[in-house]
Amino acid sequence: GENVEQHPSTLSVQEGDSAVIKCTYSDSASNYFPWYKQELGKRPQLIIDIRSNVGEKKDQRIAVTLNKTAKHFSLHITETQPEDSAVYFCAASRREGANNLFFGTGTRLTVIP
Amino acid sequence: DTGVSQDPRHKITKRGQNVTFRCDPISEHNRLYWYRQTLGQGPEFLTYFQNEAQLEKSRLLSDRFSAERPKGSFSTLEIQRTEQGDSAMYLCASRSTGGGKTFFGQGTRLTVV
Repeated sequence: GENVEQHPSTLSVQEGDSAVIKCTYSDSASNYFPWYKQELGKRPQLIIDIRSNVGEKKDQRIAVTLNKTAKHFSLHITETQPEDSAVYFCAASRREGANNLFFGTGTRLTVIP
Repeated sequence: DTGVSQDPRHKITKRGQNVTFRCDPISEHNRLYWYRQTLGQGPEFLTYFQNEAQLEKSRLLSDRFSAERPKGSFSTLEIQRTEQGDSAMYLCASRSTGGGKTFFGQGTRLTVV
């Protein structure tokens, strides 16, 4: 099955700095890569996603890059704000079958004011 | 809130008791998923429905677990003879076919004492 690894497990940045979270996946059949933000006690919320036919996608301060050859993808948050503090999960999904998500272990991001 | 809703939000039960959770997906979504999330981990896939058909179950879903989606709308997840290891957040998610995005409910936090 798919194995998604995520690094780092914790990340602290000063407000205004950038944050980068990296993930690798094992299944070359995976073609969809969403990122979720989860605040304490709340549901995972989709913040950005990318498909395997695209190398980069940006939405305001958030961007995701994908390297299919190397099987890794990254989340970039620029101009971080305290409200960005949360746990971020990457995930991968195969194009066939259930299309269920395989999640990384999460990165706890703390933005220091 | 017209997103995925789950009930109850919290459940405390004694070991050996049965529990049932409910999920109401986004109305036009025909795919429904159950995930389990333990502290400090990403969600793990349990099972998947397309309309009323349960099409895939993970190895995590022991024979004490059963899920239904009788009319292709809401779903229930039942755990029989609960064990302390069942304590977790149970998340429901839904998506439409054709590569739609996956949205999560707020989860049911189960504590087995």
